[in-house]
Amino acid sequence: DQQVKQNSPSLSVQEGRISILNCDYTNSMFDYFLWYKKYPAEGPTFLISISSIKDKNEDGRFTVFLNKSAKHLSLHIVPSQPGDSAVYFCAASGPSSNTGKLIFGQGTTLQVKP
Amino acid sequence: KAGVTQTPRYLIKTRGQQVTLSCSPISGHRSVSWYQQTPGQGLQFLFEYFSETQRNKGNFPGRFSGRQFSNSRSEMNVSTLELGDSALYLCASSLDPGAGANVLTFGAGSRLTVL
Repeated sequence: DQQVKQNSPSLSVQEGRISILNCDYTNSMFDYFLWYKKYPAEGPTFLISISSIKDKNEDGRFTVFLNKSAKHLSLHIVPSQPGDSAVYFCAASGPSSNTGKLIFGQGTTLQVKP
Repeated sequence: KAGVTQTPRYLIKTRGQQVTLSCSPISGHRSVSWYQQTPGQGLQFLFEYFSETQRNKGNFPGRFSGRQFSNSRSEMNVSTLELGDSALYLCASSLDPGAGANVLTFGAGSRLTVL
């Protein structure tokens, strides 16, 4: 049972344009969501997070949107840069979880073309 | 500040053997979690240790085990290796859980190949 799903295995965008990565979840008890970025031969790196009490969180070029009614979150990268090319994982935790257990999606490979 | 260190980075084993992987968390981090990454499966949670106690466990068979030492360093062991155990094993550490929702810091992983 895949509780967190990233239905697009890959995404290709032009440099300078917007990248939108999507994630759906099924467990309504999740209350904290994170995005991680992973380069080959490296571990995942934390990018941005959002609590279920918010619907938007912004950090520089990265914005995460949460739609609780649709159980959907998205990561927007504006403007996209070639260095953003990586695998992006969304993850969820909850309820009120302060542990190291995160439920990850399968990942989306983003390619930003110069 | 040193990051999460995992050893070995790469290893090759044969079916039926066992393997032990090591993880040194960031200094001051007391929680250590382990994940398995296989192609198309994302990261799957194995278990979490906090203060030398297993606090959470994922849906993996008993061949997968772990432990944490008093200095927060952790090891995981896989016995009777199967071909399907070939994967990248990632360790992550985080601060005291009471600090709030966790942001995990991952190591670079140990790439296990089972022949």
